[in-house]
Amino acid sequence: NAGVMQNPRHLVRRRGQEARLRCSPMKGHSHVYWYRQLPEEGLKFMVYLQKENIIDESGMPKERFSAEFPKEGPSILRIQQVVRGDSAAYFCASSPRLAGDNNEQFFGPGTRLTVL
Amino acid sequence: AQSVAQPEDQVNVAEGNPLTVKCTYSVSGNPYLFWYVQYPNRGLQFLLKYITGDNLVKGSYGFEAEFNKSQTSFHLKKPSALVSDSALYFCAVTDNAGNMLTFGGGTRLMVKP
Repeated sequence: NAGVMQNPRHLVRRRGQEARLRCSPMKGHSHVYWYRQLPEEGLKFMVYLQKENIIDESGMPKERFSAEFPKEGPSILRIQQVVRGDSAAYFCASSPRLAGDNNEQFFGPGTRLTVL
Repeated sequence: AQSVAQPEDQVNVAEGNPLTVKCTYSVSGNPYLFWYVQYPNRGLQFLLKYITGDNLVKGSYGFEAEFNKSQTSFHLKKPSALVSDSALYFCAVTDNAGNMLTFGGGTRLMVKP
């Protein structure tokens, strides 16, 4: 059973470009979470999605950031008009049920975004 | 609101000695507590979790953690450290109604031969 897959592993963008980060959850998992890790910091929650629904986006910046988890295909975290402060590692995690229902979240290897 | 504090940025231990990585938490409901380890340029690997039951939780690679409700702590321990344990360790919490994990800032463990 493959783990959580994220691609690309490394992404370089110039200021003003768009970044699209993809996450394929573990087989059988229908819940996806995105976290951001700034250099030398812990992970910060961004958004929680189920298939075709955003459940909690309290950690998402108000502008330029969006996320989706379509019925078919991977979850996408999209950052428009990137700025240097967006440079970070973005981690996706998946779980089969609600995180509060005794299930840990399984993390992907992350996408390291560098904005030049 | 929930929060996690890892008071030590770095812990240094000699190989073979016991290690402790500290974590305290704050959460409004019942706490669900987790420890993850991160190796350089890698994702987070799950070590162990506390949901309910025994206060001493055993996890992967010989690690264990003790849940202390009165002190709101969930310290990570290992009786005998290995050089290969050197990594970044994160404590995380969620409440029984929440979905997101709240992470501590991380503690870098350095085990020297």
